[in-house]
Amino acid sequence: KAGVTQTPRYLIKTRGQQVTLSCSPISGHRSVSWYQQTPGQGLQFLFEYFSETQRNKGNFPGRFSGRQFSNSRSEMNVSTLELGDSALYLCASSRTPQPDEQFFGPGTRLTVL
Amino acid sequence: ELKVEQNPLFLSMQEGKNYTIYCNYSTTSDRLYWYRQDPGKSLESLFVLLSNGAVKQEGRLMASLDTKARLSTLHITAAVHDLSATYFCAVAPYSGGGADGLTFGKGTHLIIQP
Repeated sequence: KAGVTQTPRYLIKTRGQQVTLSCSPISGHRSVSWYQQTPGQGLQFLFEYFSETQRNKGNFPGRFSGRQFSNSRSEMNVSTLELGDSALYLCASSRTPQPDEQFFGPGTRLTVL
Repeated sequence: ELKVEQNPLFLSMQEGKNYTIYCNYSTTSDRLYWYRQDPGKSLESLFVLLSNGAVKQEGRLMASLDTKARLSTLHITAAVHDLSATYFCAVAPYSGGGADGLTFGKGTHLIIQP
């Protein structure tokens, strides 16, 4: 059974640009959550989507947004990139919404110059 | 606000020794997870602990949960080099209290030396 996939795996952007990251959950999983991992702040919850609806959101500015499609695939978007947005962005999927067990993808490493 | 505290944050130990990583959390929860992360890699699920007194073991790792003390432990028995990694505990908010996503500890960076 295929795991969670994320594309792209690496990205380099400059300040002010925007970026879209993609996540395909495990087949049959309908919930997708996004996390940001940085050396300073650790792992922080961004948001969760289930059945194309955002269920909850972490403490991040409105520049961070996401969506989920009918096939459960999800995208997250960061607009007006800042240097501090450089991080590993992890997507996790679960069969049902949190707190169901989540399985993590390999992550997208975003570098903002 | 749910806070999760792990200690130690860094641990260097020798092969063959035993050690315990602690995870304390601040508010009621009924689900706790342990993950392993290798450098540059994603998170690998190790254990899911769902109830007070839960104990799970896999190889040289054993995890337990005491919901009354709001404490989970990850015990390493007779450590081997392959267990070198960063270990995270993550706490889900109480299932009856809404969902705010997992709250992670800062991780324990474990180095096991021959």
